[in-house]
Amino acid sequence: QKEVEQNSGPLSVPEGAIASLNCTYSDRGSQSFFWYRQYSGKSPELIMFIYSNGDKEDGRFTAQLNKASQYVSLLIRDSQPSDSATYLCAVAWAAGTALIFGKGTTLSVSS
Amino acid sequence: EPEVTQTPSHQVTQMGQEVILRCVPISNHLYFYWYRQILGQKVEFLVSFYNNEISEKSEIFDDQFSVERPDGSNFTLKIRSTKLEDSAMYFCASSEGTASNQPQHFGDGTRLSIL
Repeated sequence: QKEVEQNSGPLSVPEGAIASLNCTYSDRGSQSFFWYRQYSGKSPELIMFIYSNGDKEDGRFTAQLNKASQYVSLLIRDSQPSDSATYLCAVAWAAGTALIFGKGTTLSVSS
Repeated sequence: EPEVTQTPSHQVTQMGQEVILRCVPISNHLYFYWYRQILGQKVEFLVSFYNNEISEKSEIFDDQFSVERPDGSNFTLKIRSTKLEDSAMYFCASSEGTASNQPQHFGDGTRLSIL
């Protein structure tokens, strides 16, 4: 059974701080890792994806992947109130086409 | 920026009726997907579609469900004999390649309410 686990939160950070969101997955056959942002009542919006061990940076966002520990994280620097949303971790396995999603972590950024 | 479009945005249907949810994937994408999200729960994979056939389906995607690409642009999900527990947001997504090497882009979703 492929599982993706996230702390549901809420994670509360002040404006300007770094928010750290974490995700673990169950199967070492996993290939690709995605972070989506979902505002309440809206669809998932792709933020970043990462395929290789290490860090990948895009603007204020950094994705970190450690396949040995089966762990992927998302750092949001200089957090803004507009970043307040649920962040979904999704994993794709090498032989498949499906994305398996975690339940998401709710982030609240206070001004 | 190209986007996935879904219609209708909200569908209300009596239990036992059939519904068809429609999607127009991004034009150069080759893989198409349906996901659902029951209120307060996680996004769940239903089915993927490539080259006019189902590539993969989940346990949720039973005989009640079917998908079709009736023409060069539309991708549909049909739910027969709807049940109360089919009430959910249904998201269509598309990608250039498989999930292992290309990100999936989601439409705005159809909210399906079964009465």
